Amino acid sequence: GAGVSQSPSNKVTEKGKDVELRCDPISGHTALYWYRQSLGQGLEFLIYFQGNSAPDKSGLPSDRFSAERTGGSVSTLTIQRTQQEDSAVYLCASSPRQERSYNSPLHFGNGTRLTVT
Amino acid sequence: GENVEQHPSTLSVQEGDSAVIKCTYSDSASNYFPWYKQELGKGPQLIIDIRSNVGEKKDQRIAVTLNKTAKHFSLHITETQPEDSAVYFCAASTGNYGQNFVFGPGTRLSVLP
Repeated sequence: GAGVSQSPSNKVTEKGKDVELRCDPISGHTALYWYRQSLGQGLEFLIYFQGNSAPDKSGLPSDRFSAERTGGSVSTLTIQRTQQEDSAVYLCASSPRQERSYNSPLHFGNGTRLTVT
Repeated sequence: GENVEQHPSTLSVQEGDSAVIKCTYSDSASNYFPWYKQELGKGPQLIIDIRSNVGEKKDQRIAVTLNKTAKHFSLHITETQPEDSAVYFCAASTGNYGQNFVFGPGTRLSVLP
């Protein structure tokens, strides 16, 4: 079946511009995560949505970063006034509902490679 | 909060040899440990996972072991093939609501033909 879809796959933008990154999770998955991966580095947590609950925004690096999830499905990560240090691959993942005593594995998209010039 | 360490950061093996990657975690409440493989230009893909009520799990050439007392878990790949070359990430999760997956920094595995 269809996996997690992210668009665009590549984005080049000028410093100071705003960008929007899109994530289409697997149908039926209620949990959605955004991670950032700098070149050759690990996965840095940004934000987590679970159903209609308030999102966990504890990983957002600054107030220039925001994300929303409409209708419990598609999510958009917005970066305002982009800086060169924002250059990275932004990965989205989805999973079935995470239960307090039982974790479900994450399914990742192929990411959006953002380059800020 | 949870902290996951992973070693080695790079690993080169000859085709056909075994590869072992080790991770340690800090939060004794962690109860789920997935392993992901990331190929160039792609997102991480789950290859195997283990829960805290199991000590070992095997899937063909891949196995994972868990030592809850020592708080470490390992990935074992036998009879390595060139297509096993990738970056491997371990992760630990406590099962609580919120940011509940913490990833290790990754191991770049190269299988030399």
